[in-house]
Amino acid sequence: AQTVTQSQPEMSVQEAETVTLSCTYDTSESDYYLFWYKQPPSRQMILVIRQEAYKQQNATENRFSVNFQKAAKSFSLKISDSQLGDAAMYFCAYRRFGPTPLSDYGGSQGNLIFGKGTKLSVKP
Amino acid sequence: KAGVTQTPRYLIKTRGQQVTLSCSPISGHRSVSWYQQTPGQGLQFLFEYFSETQRNKGNFPGRFSGRQFSNSRSEMNVSTLELGDSALYLCASSTRRRYYYGYTFGSGTRLTVV
Repeated sequence: AQTVTQSQPEMSVQEAETVTLSCTYDTSESDYYLFWYKQPPSRQMILVIRQEAYKQQNATENRFSVNFQKAAKSFSLKISDSQLGDAAMYFCAYRRFGPTPLSDYGGSQGNLIFGKGTKLSVKP
Repeated sequence: KAGVTQTPRYLIKTRGQQVTLSCSPISGHRSVSWYQQTPGQGLQFLFEYFSETQRNKGNFPGRFSGRQFSNSRSEMNVSTLELGDSALYLCASSTRRRYYYGYTFGSGTRLTVV
């Protein structure tokens, strides 16, 4: 089974500064996808950034970028120029390449496996 | 383009009752997944539906069930509610054929069992 670990339950950053959220995962598969989701108090999970494992280039979306280290199974999120609106829970998620095998039925972790989350606070 | 719509936003039920939650996916999305989110357990997968068929199921008791209609809308039902069922229930939709797009989530239904 795959696992996703976020070792930082809470993080804090000063407005306009940079913060990095950590994520490690465990899998025996070679092809997969990784995502960072943001969950503000409104509760809706919002996709921040995604990475295909077969791409060596790190994904970037405006102020958000990742450091993807496939061999180390590490997928950290860097937020530059932090804004008050960045305050939220951040979840790292893993998705296998292709559908979940039927053999997992009844005990499946699902297609999208989440870490426990990191609560990010932004100080003005 | 409308997002994923979950209704109701909040529910308060009594232990032993049953509840039905609804999820309308993004137009064109045929896959709907349900997750239970609690502070202690985090996000746990319940089930996934595609083309009106349950394709995947998590480790939850039979009190949790669901279905999907021909228009891809999905419902989740919990019977004989227990206090531990209090949680945020999130629905997510995807095209299923383009996994790399990830899922689009609704705002969830907050269920409180008293």
